[in-house]
Amino acid sequence: AQKITQTQPGMFVQEKEAVTLDCTYDTSDPSYGLFWYKQPSSGEMIFLIYQGSYDQQNATEGRYSLNFQKARKSANLVISASQLGDSAMYFCAMREGEDDMRFGAGTRLTVKP
Amino acid sequence: DAGVIQSPRHEVTEMGQEVTLRCKPISGHDYLFWYRQTMMRGLELLIYFNNNVPIDDSGMPEDRFSAKMPNASFSTLKIQPSEPRDSAVYFCASGPGVDGYTFGSGTRLTVV
Repeated sequence: AQKITQTQPGMFVQEKEAVTLDCTYDTSDPSYGLFWYKQPSSGEMIFLIYQGSYDQQNATEGRYSLNFQKARKSANLVISASQLGDSAMYFCAMREGEDDMRFGAGTRLTVKP
Repeated sequence: DAGVIQSPRHEVTEMGQEVTLRCKPISGHDYLFWYRQTMMRGLELLIYFNNNVPIDDSGMPEDRFSAKMPNASFSTLKIQPSEPRDSAVYFCASGPGVDGYTFGSGTRLTVV
């Protein structure tokens, strides 16, 4: 069963505006971690941000923040002040306990000048 | 640290040949994951290791695929014999670290 769902195949945002990329997950394990990665057209996978299931506060890293809503099992990525260089594929991933780490299908973000 | 190092970056081989992909994880990382990425199937987990021990290989598509981690510094993913449908980008990733799980640059495999 698909455990990580990214429902937006593609998103557009105007430069300098904020954008939210959706991610929902399914798990019965109380201990899990949620990750977001960026994959530019060059192909490398770049770690952006991490949220642990027991973390009380939403994670932030510079212009990236994770809107963690545990009861709704969602972990949306918010990118503030979008830049042209933010155009890329974005993947949400989950790791349950000490188990495997699985990825969603990804969202392609295009930043318009 | 040089990060996760994968080799080769590109591999073109003929159907039926053996292919070996290599990965050097970041020192001190306990876990190593192998993924395959295609347009149709996205990022698929093939196998992962904890302290050099394979934990779950249920993602390995067929017996043609095998993976080893003989020590903490090295892992291989072997395909024998290779088929055109194996064409994909293969990533390895290690962690956890301060930057989550770090991916290598990937190996783009083309089987003709």
